[in-house]
Amino acid sequence: QKEVEQNSGPLSVPEGAIASLNCTYSDRGSQSFFWYRQYSGKSPELIMSIYSNGDKEDGRFTAQLNKASQYVSLLIRDSQPSDSATYLCAVTNAGNMLTFGGGTRLMVKP
Amino acid sequence: SAVISQKPSRDICQRGTSLTIQCQVDSQVTMMFWYRQQPGQSLTLIATANQGSEATYESGFVIDKFPISRPNLTFSTLTVSNMSPEDSSIYLCSVDSVSYGYTFGSGTRLTVV
Repeated sequence: QKEVEQNSGPLSVPEGAIASLNCTYSDRGSQSFFWYRQYSGKSPELIMSIYSNGDKEDGRFTAQLNKASQYVSLLIRDSQPSDSATYLCAVTNAGNMLTFGGGTRLMVKP
Repeated sequence: SAVISQKPSRDICQRGTSLTIQCQVDSQVTMMFWYRQQPGQSLTLIATANQGSEATYESGFVIDKFPISRPNLTFSTLTVSNMSPEDSSIYLCSVDSVSYGYTFGSGTRLTVV
């Protein structure tokens, strides 16, 4: 069983819609949770971090964490074609090591 | 967030040779991380490099193949030794900035022919 799981996609949404990206993790001791965006040929860029249960909003992005269900999600409101990228969920364990999910490819169609 | 300069950005190497990748950070950091991203895959941690001690390698990665140096708190190198086509990947260094989370260098795209 993979430690961090994501649907590989592609997830296709129309421009202006809400994109919902999901991630589950297996280690109940996980401490910190991150969403990275990676454009093709580029390195990952941190877009959201979340550390406690609930929602965290930053502009068009909202991260949601449910530790009881071992689930973290990212919502992108008013999706734009420039949001088309691979989104990587990453989780740290007690040793503070980052473990990445396989990534979800998002396509926003004009 | 920390700014990481990584070089080379890309290289094409002959099998059997070695390539050393450098990462320079604009601030002092305790831990630096080296990742590999194989084509179409996610990131896999190779090793963690702390200044003044041996690097800690993840399962499947060994020091003879991926020697790492960490001479000070702002610099690290990763060498990919005795390369084969299976080593063709993107290699990334990363640091953990307490305030900003994990930041990545721009990556080194390695092709082994």
